[in-house]
Amino acid sequence: ETGVTQTPRHLVMGMTNKKSLKCEQHLGHNAMYWYKQSAKKPLELMFVYSLEERVENNSVPSRFSPECPNSSHLFLHLHTLQPEDSALYLCASSQAYLQEETQYFGPGTRLLVL
Amino acid sequence: DAKTTQPPSMDCAEGRAANLPCNHSTISGNEYVYWYRQIHSQGPQYIIHGLKNNETNEMASLIITEDRKSSTLILPHATLRDTAVYYCIVRVRSNYQLIWGAGTKLIIKP
Repeated sequence: ETGVTQTPRHLVMGMTNKKSLKCEQHLGHNAMYWYKQSAKKPLELMFVYSLEERVENNSVPSRFSPECPNSSHLFLHLHTLQPEDSALYLCASSQAYLQEETQYFGPGTRLLVL
Repeated sequence: DAKTTQPPSMDCAEGRAANLPCNHSTISGNEYVYWYRQIHSQGPQYIIHGLKNNETNEMASLIITEDRKSSTLILPHATLRDTAVYYCIVRVRSNYQLIWGAGTKLIIKP
């Protein structure tokens, strides 16, 4: 247990569905991250939030929409996804952004888009 | 692109020390080396990090060469549960991002 939880752990959705991934951290951290891990590819950073403000958006398609209502919760809203979006989506948190602080990861949500 | 080079796979006998090498010849003077591992389809788990000096914690030891161009992660008494992909990461100082490579798949054999 790292103190970062993600739900659901597995998700199957059609290309016309709308779903949301949820991340919660119990570490009192101020920065939260979304990563994508596709099969046979390295982790890719998608979004970064610091103190509930989005500070990084790494050329992610608009069908992925993040939301950070408070420093403990992070959502990734999904709509009109493509099969190539099937991947492991990982949430992480750290004490602060742009500092030498360790990132701690949740268990991930395994997403399959049909 | 990742600033590190790791062997794609390694084997180690259970109970023996597992030594995982990493090359980072272009590392800058103030960039840290981080190690994470990822057990099949789970989230990455932080192991250890260091700048210049050798580091040790309850999970592992990190040995960094004097010129900082390479490092070795040591798991002192490997168990079957240590089977995982191990990632060596040089943290980019400009934006503190972790740039992930392919890692080393470590298989612990009974």
